[in-house]
Amino acid sequence: DVKVTQSSRYLVKRTGEKVFLECVQDMDHENMFWYRQDPGLGLRLIYFSYDVKMKEKGDIPEGYSVSREKKERFSLILESASTNQTSMYLCASRLTGAGYTFGSGTRLTVV
Amino acid sequence: AQSVTQLDSHVSVSEGTPVLLRCNYSSSYSPSLFWYVQHPNKGLQLLLKYTSAATLVKGINGFEAEFKKSETSFHLTKPSAHMSDAAEYFCVVTLYSSASKIIFGSGTRLSIRP
Repeated sequence: DVKVTQSSRYLVKRTGEKVFLECVQDMDHENMFWYRQDPGLGLRLIYFSYDVKMKEKGDIPEGYSVSREKKERFSLILESASTNQTSMYLCASRLTGAGYTFGSGTRLTVV
Repeated sequence: AQSVTQLDSHVSVSEGTPVLLRCNYSSSYSPSLFWYVQHPNKGLQLLLKYTSAATLVKGINGFEAEFKKSETSFHLTKPSAHMSDAAEYFCVVTLYSSASKIIFGSGTRLSIRP
């Protein structure tokens, strides 16, 4: 089974902190994604990557950046965390043409 | 333009009765369609997918969905609900088989009454 692992289930950070959310997949998938999930808004795409060192903005990239130095790892970076970035963050990976595998999510609270 | 509409934000059924979660899509091209389930405090799990093979797709946990091109629908059904089916369900569409971007429906919360 493909496994997508997000390094933290729960995080609490202070406003202004730089925050790193890590995601690792173990099946050599080319495509990796970061979503945030908010009540009433569903899932919204932040960034995705279709290859090492390649990235594309999703629907809501403002305030975020990403890094994909190795195929198996896709990091989401909050340059200066703000309270409106309190959310559930979901990482996913996908082999082209196949379905998506999601991580368990990281619930981030910014205080 | 593509879109996905889940027609009900919340569905409540009694245990042992049928489940119907409705999904309509719009796509200019032949879509790939998926249903995902998310249990409380868990990640999203793939239930089933349609990729232009059989129009009736069987998934895990007794769920199935039928692709109806004439109605642009991909409704999710289960003959008999179980308490463990209580979760949120997302209908998803992708444009091409190689597309990296996917469009999620807004989700349907399924509650099961004892």
